[in-house]
Amino acid sequence: AQSVTQLGSHVSVSEGALVLLRCNYSSSVPPYLFWYVQYPNQGLQLLLKYTSAATLVKGINGFEAEFKKSETSFHLTKPSAHMSDAAEYFCAVTEPNGGATNKLIFGTGTLLAVQP
Amino acid sequence: DAGVTQSPTHLIKTRGQHVTLRCSPISGHKSVSWYQQVLGQGPQFIFQYYEKEERGRGNFPDRFSARQFPNYSSELNVNALLLGDSALYLCASTPAGGTGELFFGEGSRLTVL
Repeated sequence: AQSVTQLGSHVSVSEGALVLLRCNYSSSVPPYLFWYVQYPNQGLQLLLKYTSAATLVKGINGFEAEFKKSETSFHLTKPSAHMSDAAEYFCAVTEPNGGATNKLIFGTGTLLAVQP
Repeated sequence: DAGVTQSPTHLIKTRGQHVTLRCSPISGHKSVSWYQQVLGQGPQFIFQYYEKEERGRGNFPDRFSARQFPNYSSELNVNALLLGDSALYLCASTPAGGTGELFFGEGSRLTVL
């Protein structure tokens, strides 16, 4: 069964510093991978997705992620953190199955704090 | 365009009661999924419906049920509520032919006392 591991439940960075949130998946078949962001008391917003095209994926708000099959990783980065980036970030995976189902398996989330 | 809308946004129930949560997908989206997010955890898949038929079910007891209507809106029902059912219930819709991405609503926060 698919699973997603997010290393670090809490990450704290200074404003302007690099943001690196880690995600590893378990799958023998290259999956579709997603990063979602959740602000307090809100639903989830899609940041970016990997669907077997370019391995470096650019998303909204300056975030990007790189799919590395050899490492089964899909880490999220942003060169310079902003106070507004403080939120919880979820990595998710699904298997391409011709659209039969869209079941996403989510990681446990990483809470990002940005210090002034 | 309106996003995914859910109602109610907050509700409080007592153990043993029943709850119905409602969801309207983005216009044109025919698939609706439900997820449960317990505090401090990632969302867990409950159901997916497409064209009024159940396409997938997660590891949840039979107390959880759902349905989709001809206008593609959906209801999630939970019977015999337990304290552990307290969570944020998220509805998401998906466009046909998409690449698996889900568009989420703001959620319904259920508290069971």
